[in-house]
Amino acid sequence: GENVEQHPSTLSVQEGDSAVIKCTYSDSASNYFPWYKQELGKGPQLIIDIRSNVGEKKDQRIAVTLNKTAKHFSLHITETQPEDSAVYFCAASRSGDGGTSYGKLTFGQGTILTVHP
Amino acid sequence: GAGVSQSPSNKVTEKGKDVELRCDPISGHTALYWYRQRLGQGLEFLIYFQGNSAPDKSGLPSDRFSAERTGESVSTLTIQRTQQEDSAVYLCASSLNALSNQPQHFGDGTRLSIL
Repeated sequence: GENVEQHPSTLSVQEGDSAVIKCTYSDSASNYFPWYKQELGKGPQLIIDIRSNVGEKKDQRIAVTLNKTAKHFSLHITETQPEDSAVYFCAASRSGDGGTSYGKLTFGQGTILTVHP
Repeated sequence: GAGVSQSPSNKVTEKGKDVELRCDPISGHTALYWYRQRLGQGLEFLIYFQGNSAPDKSGLPSDRFSAERTGESVSTLTIQRTQQEDSAVYLCASSLNALSNQPQHFGDGTRLSIL
């Protein structure tokens, strides 16, 4: 089955700096890669996602890049703000192909991001 | 609009008791997923439902775990004879459908504590 590794486990930056979180996946059939932000006591909130037919996607201060050959994808947050402090999770899944577990997300272990004012 | 709703938000029970957790998905979402999140860990897939198809139970950790869904609405996750290792946050997510990787939207979970 799919295995997703996420690094670093903790990341501390100063307000205004950039933050980068990296993930690798094992299943070459995975074709959908979302990123979630989870605040204390809340469920994960989708912040950006990318599909395998695209190499990069950007939404304001957040961007995601995907390298299918190397099987890794990264989250980039620019101009970080204290409210960006949270746990971030990457995930991977494959679309229905006649097999099983359509859309089942396999998650990384999470990155605790702390942005210092 | 309303998001995914889960109840109860917290549940404390004694070892050996049965518990039932509820999930109300976003209206119109045909796919529904249950995940488990242990303290400080990522999310583990448990089970998913897609429309009227047979559910994928491949992630259920033991036969003490079961789940049901009525049509394309409410789902319940039942844990029988709870053990201390069942302590975790149980998260539910829904999406428009599972076949084309539509984004999954999560509820805030049920925090289950087994004494």
